Amino acid sequence: QSALTQPASVSGSPGQSITISCTGTSSDVGRNNLVSWYQLHPGKAPKLMIYEGSKRPSGVSNRFSGSKSGNTASLTISGLQAEDEADYYCFSYARRSYVFGTGTKVTVL
Amino acid sequence: EVQLVESGGGLVQPGRSLRLSCAASGFTFDDYAMHWVRQAPGKGLEWVSGISWNSGSIGYADSVKGRFTVSRDNAKNSLHLQMNSLRPEDTALYYCAKDIASASSGIYNVYYYYGMDVWGQGTTVTVSS
Repeated sequence: QSALTQPASVSGSPGQSITISCTGTSSDVGRNNLVSWYQLHPGKAPKLMIYEGSKRPSGVSNRFSGSKSGNTASLTISGLQAEDEADYYCFSYARRSYVFGTGTKVTVL
Repeated sequence: EVQLVESGGGLVQPGRSLRLSCAASGFTFDDYAMHWVRQAPGKGLEWVSGISWNSGSIGYADSVKGRFTVSRDNAKNSLHLQMNSLRPEDTALYYCAKDIASASSGIYNVYYYYGMDVWGQGTTVTVSS
């Protein structure tokens, strides 16, 4: 169960769009549509932002969107805001188990 | 209010055991799969274990397989994690989380996990001599 690969950091200015990638293999990300994304602010519990690849839970801003191409899933944040500064993790089914990504720190410049 | 409250964490010596519990309220507990997720100090999230609504499907991370056992008591709306043969690398904040997929909705495969939409605040486990 190797962790899915995410960029260590991504940054953008307020109002811009950024995309965080989550790269796996044909045995995990590429196998199904069970990728979810989580936002972590320091000292707080994780928050679900996207599930089943592209669905937003109730209450999550439509500035957050998810997609997938082949073995890579992506989270796009549009109209970047200061409150979006946090760590983000992807999560996927992986060969009869589940695995998180390595995590990405998003910085709002 | 939908809520998950973990308990049972603490300081334990290597090789010893600890049992974590998670009390659920505000939702139909027996309709959802549940998870344990941990975060070691300064590290990322790690999925530890998951259990389906009826305990019919259970999974573990390779790092804890054979040492940890997850269970649930739907009558008491509670989730548990029995941790044996603890190692220093098990030191982490342990979260209990609810899956977003309702087993009774008929639109999800109850043997898969779809996303963790409710989380507790976590309980800290420290394994050290």
